[in-house]
Amino acid sequence: NAGVTQTPKFQVLKTGQSMTLQCAQDMNHNSMYWYRQDPGMGLRLIYYSASEGTTDKGEVPNGYNVSRLNKREFSLRLESAAPSQTSVYFCASTMRFSGVGAFFGQGTRLTVV
Amino acid sequence: AQSVTQPDIHITVSEGASLELRCNYSYGATPYLFWYVQSPGQGLQLLLKYFSGDTLVQGIKGFEAEFKRSQSSFNLRKPSVHWSDAAEYFCAVAPNTGTASKLTFGTGTRLQVTL
Repeated sequence: NAGVTQTPKFQVLKTGQSMTLQCAQDMNHNSMYWYRQDPGMGLRLIYYSASEGTTDKGEVPNGYNVSRLNKREFSLRLESAAPSQTSVYFCASTMRFSGVGAFFGQGTRLTVV
Repeated sequence: AQSVTQPDIHITVSEGASLELRCNYSYGATPYLFWYVQSPGQGLQLLLKYFSGDTLVQGIKGFEAEFKRSQSSFNLRKPSVHWSDAAEYFCAVAPNTGTASKLTFGTGTRLQVTL
């Protein structure tokens, strides 16, 4: 009964390094999302994938790329990390947004030094 | 564009007291509305949701929320708070298009419960 699984849980990067955050869901959901959470700013949408094979920008997409690898997996890539990308990242998924709400992973705490 | 305002950054209540967390939204039509709770170091858990029908919705853990169209509000309430309710609460809104779309969050209200 895993739900939404994110890896890694913690990561420290140096400025300019790259990394990929992984997300997988086992609920057969169509739609997946990446959010970042910063103090006092709530959760802001980075990218989302309404269905397999499609991706769209959210509110704060700059500096990020995503890949919807298959129906289960949705990865977030930082090509050249910056201190401003220090944040907690959450992946979420939903079958159909209207009536169900989104299920969230436990988060990845990323620090860029 | 849709937006959500949670005017209270931090609220402190005594255990056993009632609670109301405020949420106002801005959207052209009636959106889908949600309340989520986040315990420290955890992901977000859905408390309740509104998308049509009865304007008073019941959720988990004894929470309820009332949708007021005239005030563009969706306030969360609990009659008697327990110490385990201490957490951060987020109101969120999504367009009622019936398809996957952006879920927009408020900035959150941190609830502290005193014994």
